Amino acid sequence: QQQVKQSPQSLIVQKGGISIINCAYENTAFDYFPWYQQFPGKGPALLIAIRPDVSEKKEGRFTISFNKSAKQFSLHIMDSQPGDSATYFCAALIPNFGNEKLTFGTGTRLTIIP
Amino acid sequence: KAGVTQTPRYLIKTRGQQVTLSCSPISGHRSVSWYQQTPGQGLQFLFEYFSETQRNKGNFPGRFSGRQFSNSRSEMNVSTLELGDSALYLCASSLRTSGTLTDTQYFGPGTRLTVL
Repeated sequence: QQQVKQSPQSLIVQKGGISIINCAYENTAFDYFPWYQQFPGKGPALLIAIRPDVSEKKEGRFTISFNKSAKQFSLHIMDSQPGDSATYFCAALIPNFGNEKLTFGTGTRLTIIP
Repeated sequence: KAGVTQTPRYLIKTRGQQVTLSCSPISGHRSVSWYQQTPGQGLQFLFEYFSETQRNKGNFPGRFSGRQFSNSRSEMNVSTLELGDSALYLCASSLRTSGTLTDTQYFGPGTRLTVL
């Protein structure tokens, strides 16, 4: 049962453009939403994370937008660079002791072309 | 500070065999989580160990087990391997000072397991 739906599956963006990846969830008990970046041959690395009490969080060129009522959140990469080409995963967490686990989206393969 | 290390990096086994994977967390990290990554199912949580105790568990069969040692190193064992167990197995460590998995998890490079 997939609880976090991620789209698109793949995305091609020109250098300097804005990359947008979307995720939607169903379980309102989720209260922590991280994004991970994974390069080939490497494990995922935390990029940025948000709690549902804020609608937006920005770190450098990366911004998370969060819409609690729509149960959606998205990652925006401004001024996308070839080095941003990677697979991105959204995730969600229910901080429930004994039953706490990160649930991941299916990933988006981002390619930035010159 | 050294990152999370996993050994071996690649492993080939046949159906019915068992396998043990090892994970050394970042120094000072007491939480180790294990994940399975496949093209079809994506990243799925297996279990988490904290201070030698299994703290959280995902929805995997009992063939998948783990343990953690007093130095926080962790091992994952898969018995009676099936073709569908072919995957990248990732471990991640965190300080877990907040008491939840919202502490940043640092992933290792993974062990690529192929079951023939």
